Amino acid sequence: KQEVTQIPAALSVPEGENLVLNCSFTDSAIYNLQWFRQDPGKGLTSLLLIQSSQREQTSGRLNASLDKSSGRSTLYIAASQPGDSATYLCASSKTNFGNEKLTFGTGTRLTIIP
Amino acid sequence: DGGITQSPKYLFRKEGQNVTLSCEQNLNHDAMYWYRQDPGQGLRLIYYSQIVNDFQKGDIAEGYSVSREKKESFPLTVTSAKKNPTAFYLCASSKATDTQYFGPGTRLTVL
Repeated sequence: KQEVTQIPAALSVPEGENLVLNCSFTDSAIYNLQWFRQDPGKGLTSLLLIQSSQREQTSGRLNASLDKSSGRSTLYIAASQPGDSATYLCASSKTNFGNEKLTFGTGTRLTIIP
Repeated sequence: DGGITQSPKYLFRKEGQNVTLSCEQNLNHDAMYWYRQDPGQGLRLIYYSQIVNDFQKGDIAEGYSVSREKKESFPLTVTSAKKNPTAFYLCASSKATDTQYFGPGTRLTVL
């Protein structure tokens, strides 16, 4: 059974710093790996999706990488801003239809200090 | 605007009651999902549906029921048999191989 782990559970960094969030998974036979953002009391917003054949995806100040062989993904946030404060969750997908088998990590709660 | 909506935002349930959480989407997505989120935990899949009139159990389906009579709607009923149902419930939808789009969530509290 796939297990997805995110360490640390919480992270605080000063505004302007670059930072890396980590995600590890036990079963490397994944179809894709996704990163989501969740604001307090709200739903999830998809940030980046990396297909298993890809090594990274970029969107603005965000860059996500995937290393299937080591069971790891990272989310890099450049020049952090207070608006980046949220919980970030990663999720792996086992199948190639409908993403119905998303397995989520427990998330990293990020606080950017002004 | 296209999107996915959930209602109500907050829901309170007394012991012995069934309650139904609404989820509607106008994104023309075939697949819909229900998740439960507890504090400090990741999302856990309750039920999912890939097509109208069909649905499958997820990892924690016991004590819950769903229906999928219309493509746009996927209501979740929390039955009186469900122990410890207090949690944040999230609905999502997707095209076949695309990312899932999430609703704003319903917070259920048992009184």
